[in-house]
Amino acid sequence: EADIYQTPRYLVIGTGKKITLECSQTMGHDKMYWYQQDPGMELHLIHYSYGVNSTEKGDLSSESTVSRIRTEHFPLTLESARPSHTSQYLCASSPPGSLRAYYGYTFGSGTRLTVV
Amino acid sequence: SQQGEEDPQALSIQEGENATMNCSYKTSINNLQWYRQNSGRGLVHLILIRSNEREKHSGRLRVTLDTSKKSSSLLITASRAADTASYFCATDPYSSASKIIFGSGTRLSIRP
Repeated sequence: EADIYQTPRYLVIGTGKKITLECSQTMGHDKMYWYQQDPGMELHLIHYSYGVNSTEKGDLSSESTVSRIRTEHFPLTLESARPSHTSQYLCASSPPGSLRAYYGYTFGSGTRLTVV
Repeated sequence: SQQGEEDPQALSIQEGENATMNCSYKTSINNLQWYRQNSGRGLVHLILIRSNEREKHSGRLRVTLDTSKKSSSLLITASRAADTASYFCATDPYSSASKIIFGSGTRLSIRP
């Protein structure tokens, strides 16, 4: 089983609410990522982090924000949820550069968000 | 556009048959990875092939890499119902700092 955990697994929330999707990993990975994926579609990178206090925006513009105060924790926050935010959000992590040539990403099970 | 593109987009075969999926990419890479995603779940890393490797095996999986054609293939032998899933290739480009790029995926259905 993966050592990266996402909560909640499913979330239905009203428009305008603030939400935080949690992601934690126990592998000590320095690099972490958030992807957005609509059902049956490709993954879009929305945020990534190379370590504590490092966060960058990904290839797909997103109204969400992230923080990386601890190595193991990479939460994603939406200040005001809208129906257009309805999607699956996947968190992933990867090992340091020296191991990068041998290991892929580890993904969490995802959070399925529905904004009504 | 995405670095990796899978072909076919969808594949349906009989249980016991072999399934082949292809991936093409555009720039030089450090390695290429294949992932599986069951419906509504996260991705699971299957196999990684480095740019200096041409073929790699893991159980019923066989991956090939042709850097001159910028393409890779994933072969699943003796398919099972449990292999039904989406399969994504992901490339680790030279130009990227630790960010791999996912293709659009192949949806594989195994008929019992």
